[in-house]
Amino acid sequence: EPEVTQTPSHQVTQMGQEVILRCVPISNHLYFYWYRQILGQKVEFLVSFYNNEISEKSEIFDDQFSVERPDGSNFTLKIRSTKLEDSAMYFCASTLAGGYEQYFGPGTRLTVT
Amino acid sequence: LAKTTQPISMDSYEGQEVNITCSHNNIATNDYITWYQQFPSQGPRFIIQGYKTKVTNEVASLFIPADRKSSTLSLPRVSLSDTAVYYCLVGPYGGSQGNLIFGKGTKLSVKP
Repeated sequence: EPEVTQTPSHQVTQMGQEVILRCVPISNHLYFYWYRQILGQKVEFLVSFYNNEISEKSEIFDDQFSVERPDGSNFTLKIRSTKLEDSAMYFCASTLAGGYEQYFGPGTRLTVT
Repeated sequence: LAKTTQPISMDSYEGQEVNITCSHNNIATNDYITWYQQFPSQGPRFIIQGYKTKVTNEVASLFIPADRKSSTLSLPRVSLSDTAVYYCLVGPYGGSQGNLIFGKGTKLSVKP
């Protein structure tokens, strides 16, 4: 069964450093998303991406965040200058037709020290 | 987006059927009802989606009454591995409007 993969599984970085989280969505999917979940809290939407551009973004997704689909398979989330409050699990998701049937990856645990 | 209300937690025993009800009084005509499951430190997993009446798959059943203002996720004969948080989401089926808004969900604890 095809699945979404994410690397790394755990990333530790110092405050102010740039991080890139990587995702490989399911191959024939067209819509891509990033979510995050701070420990013990709700899953929060960050950004959606379709046809090589951002479709929607939340208030969390400020100028420090960017997304890219550099080739036909990878989908990345970059945080330019990490803050302590960026520590969270980051989940990538994809779907074929948009909407609510999304397939999530296992997540990257980001720890900012 | 329609607001959803579901119990914060539920307890059950292995082998029992579990029904989790979600209220969504403001559901729109083009909204579907979708349920996700999340285990600790894992990404949410799509379980089931429906529009009206009943939908069944290998994991669960979803019951939706005619007025669609609520829905019930039914898990038959739960096991310890069904211990997880279950989320009810209401929104449109396709297109770019797919930013999922998760609530706190229902934390299901299955005991031996």
